Amino acid sequence: DAMVIQNPRYQVTQFGKPVTLSCSQTLNHNVMYWYQQKSSQAPKLLFHYYDKDFNNEADTPDNFQSRRPNTSFCFLDIRSPGLGDAAMYLCATSRDPGAVEQYFGPGTRLTVT
Amino acid sequence: SQKIEQNSEALNIQEGKTATLTCNYTNYSPAYLQWYRQDPGRGPVFLLLIRENEKEKRKERLKVTFDTTLKQSLFHITASQPADSATYLCAPTDAGNMLTFGGGTRLMVKP
Repeated sequence: DAMVIQNPRYQVTQFGKPVTLSCSQTLNHNVMYWYQQKSSQAPKLLFHYYDKDFNNEADTPDNFQSRRPNTSFCFLDIRSPGLGDAAMYLCATSRDPGAVEQYFGPGTRLTVT
Repeated sequence: SQKIEQNSEALNIQEGKTATLTCNYTNYSPAYLQWYRQDPGRGPVFLLLIRENEKEKRKERLKVTFDTTLKQSLFHITASQPADSATYLCAPTDAGNMLTFGGGTRLMVKP
């Protein structure tokens, strides 16, 4: 009965090689979020979709993009990963926008070599 | 700028005792505050939400208080168990704004 699914759980990519992380949800929630979490730090919001409306955080680098082809799926694209992009990437959903209760996936651990 | 402070040092307690974690915030007035639990290598899991007009909220062994004058929330786990060992994140949030987490406090409950 998984609700927010992230694939893969572990991803290794090379410096500068584009990589895509995926997230799917079975909750039929309107909002999907992407967070970056580095070791021993708080999750940091990168962007979110409210239905098809994309909302980027002001300090999210242009290197990070996202796509939401339908309600269930959302993708995080890193165009040219740098060593500093190695982190856990968390996908989350909520019924409504804003900061009400969010449901997180297990995360994808990205390693950049 | 807005700031959220949680004790970055791990809290070590003995099984059966009450664990108390602190979340302090400055430079904003959150409409509500959430607490999440995060296990190593996993995503955060929602535990409790308390609104600005609520002083206290309980859920099973968990209790959260919210003092808007002190700009502080306390998170209590009574009769703690080793399975409660995790990192606990607070997220005080303005109405309509996105979730912003504190750095979390790691709790270790020893048998």
